[in-house]
Amino acid sequence: ETGVTQTPRHLVMGMTNKKSLKCEQHLGHNAMYWYKQSAKKPLELMFVYSLEERVENNSVPSRFSPECPNSSHLFLHLHTLQPEDSALYLCASSQATPAANYGYTFGSGTRLTVV
Amino acid sequence: ILNVEQSPQSLHVQEGDSTNFTCSFPSSNFYALHWYRWETAKSPEALFVMTLNGDEKKKGRISATLNTKEGYSYLYIKGSQPEDSATYLCASARAGSYQLTFGKGTKLSVIP
Repeated sequence: ETGVTQTPRHLVMGMTNKKSLKCEQHLGHNAMYWYKQSAKKPLELMFVYSLEERVENNSVPSRFSPECPNSSHLFLHLHTLQPEDSALYLCASSQATPAANYGYTFGSGTRLTVV
Repeated sequence: ILNVEQSPQSLHVQEGDSTNFTCSFPSSNFYALHWYRWETAKSPEALFVMTLNGDEKKKGRISATLNTKEGYSYLYIKGSQPEDSATYLCASARAGSYQLTFGKGTKLSVIP
């Protein structure tokens, strides 16, 4: 275990469903991230939260909605997804932001399949 | 270079061989370069974070170097072991940004 826990590990959802991914860290880190990895593509940053505030604007479709209620928890709410959203979604945390000098601690990821 | 590029894409080596991979990144507004090891079905694990031109870091049989002026980093593995089999990711951070930009990785397979 890395200290960053993601649930569920696997998720299959229909295009009309609403689901949420959960990420939890107990490392005392100040920043949390959602990354997406699609097949044959590099990890792509979706969202960054620093001290519970969302920072940086990456172009992510509105069908993905993040929530950071406190510094230990991060959610990714999903609704009306498309099959091309099927991917591995990784959560990460870091000690400070910007994260440049501190390595990320990653969770194990949620493998999402949209049918 | 606008993106982070890694080569080779994949690599097969015999146990005991030494090997190295390359990461190329944008040198403008450079802030830091990260290396991660990602074993199948596990989480990516941080290996090194380097910031200064000429930095060299070592962790056991694995070491890395950094050239920020020309925008490249090398990762070396000495005496590869089967447990070194993984995908090795590099990522660069630019000044003023929270974002790490990742390469696609180099997949290493060490044959016993």
